[in-house]
Amino acid sequence: DAGVIQSPRHEVTEMGQEVTLRCKPISGHNSLFWYRQTMMRGLELLIYFNNNVPIDDSGMPEDRFSAKMPNASFSTLKIQPSEPRDSAVYFCATVIGDGYTFGSGTRLTVV
Amino acid sequence: AQKITQTQPGMFVQEKEAVTLDCTYDTSDQSYGLFWYKQPSSGEMIFLIYQGSYDEQNATEGRYSLNFQKARKSANLVISASQLGDSAMYFCAMREGNTGGFKTIFGAGTRLFVKA
Repeated sequence: DAGVIQSPRHEVTEMGQEVTLRCKPISGHNSLFWYRQTMMRGLELLIYFNNNVPIDDSGMPEDRFSAKMPNASFSTLKIQPSEPRDSAVYFCATVIGDGYTFGSGTRLTVV
Repeated sequence: AQKITQTQPGMFVQEKEAVTLDCTYDTSDQSYGLFWYKQPSSGEMIFLIYQGSYDEQNATEGRYSLNFQKARKSANLVISASQLGDSAMYFCAMREGNTGGFKTIFGAGTRLFVKA
């Protein structure tokens, strides 16, 4: 089992560009969570899905952020247009047993 | 509203000694889960230990134990026999509900430094 796979590992983009972050969760597990980690705000839950359905997106900071989970094997987090304050590490996670299994994260830098 | 508080931004411990990382939480839910995660300098997030709100015994996983005091709403992590590889950021977290499909909130973290 390859675990939760995120791509890309690093992304540098210019302000105003669209950014798409990808997550391939571990198959067979029904919940998927997107978190953002910054020095100032720590780990923040952006959105989570159960059985591919968004349950709570109250953490999505603005309309510039959107997330989809078209099937159990794939999820995307899109930022359009991106801004420098979006620079952070973005994690997705699924629940294995009691705790989360996290992907390795995408470090996003918006210049 | 749910809240997790970690009051120790940084901690030092001598190798081979035990260390306690503090965590307090606030919730009005009767059913919840408490967690600790480790984040080494490489950046990955690693699940360490879980305690359910109805569990009467403190959780243990190898050198990790969770000192759960429900009345005080505390869930401290105890690491016994510290190793250099334990140097990392440690996050306390709480999940509402008692199954996996509920959101988890994280504390600000404690950075642990293990001295040789």
